[in-house]
Amino acid sequence: GAGVSQTPSNKVTEKGKYVELRCDPISGHTALYWYRQSLGQGPEFLIYFQGTGAADDSGLPNDRFFAVRPEGSVSTLKIQRTERGDSAVYLCASSPRTEDSHSNQPQHFGDGTRLSIL
Amino acid sequence: DQQVKQNSPSLSVQEGRISILNCDYTNSMFDYFLWYKKYPAEGPTFLISISSIKDKNEDGRFTVFLNKSAKHLSLHIVPSQPGDSAVYFCAARAEGAQKLVFGQGTRLTINP
Repeated sequence: GAGVSQTPSNKVTEKGKYVELRCDPISGHTALYWYRQSLGQGPEFLIYFQGTGAADDSGLPNDRFFAVRPEGSVSTLKIQRTERGDSAVYLCASSPRTEDSHSNQPQHFGDGTRLSIL
Repeated sequence: DQQVKQNSPSLSVQEGRISILNCDYTNSMFDYFLWYKKYPAEGPTFLISISSIKDKNEDGRFTVFLNKSAKHLSLHIVPSQPGDSAVYFCAARAEGAQKLVFGQGTRLTINP
């Protein structure tokens, strides 16, 4: 497929458990983003990768949240000791971005992972 | 604080007429603006964008207008079609940053 792929599409788990959400960006896209969308709200930024490094993690809500992109392609968002308030749709996006912020490129989103914490 | 605001949660338009979706922002550092469309259980789909050096960008039935002095942008869809029924999000990016800041969305319903 040509688009951003996210797995699983749905995840239900109990409070306190650990979860991993996977994102496979569009081939060749160097920039990868994670957002979180709660019901009735727009997506909220979590973290941005340029290549393998996290260039901006200012949106991560606390230290229970962590993300990696070890080879500069697939990324995993990891949530420890999940809480009911973590329930949301987690969206991943990618773009053919480089460090040049004046090269305006839209971000292309996957269909998200719906995370439900019981 | 909500830096990007879409004050209309919903909008209903008759098929064939013009749909106008509005968005206001507060951060004067925003220099790139985008509109996304979202169907249920799908991710946002990019529609159209505009740089702050322009005041209008057109792509087929979709036109985005930017009024920098008023910190306001709008999306015009004409003619509106039933397949346009979706939630529309306005998003903005600040100069030097990569993250997008989204509004709360407007649910557009096109009535036959």
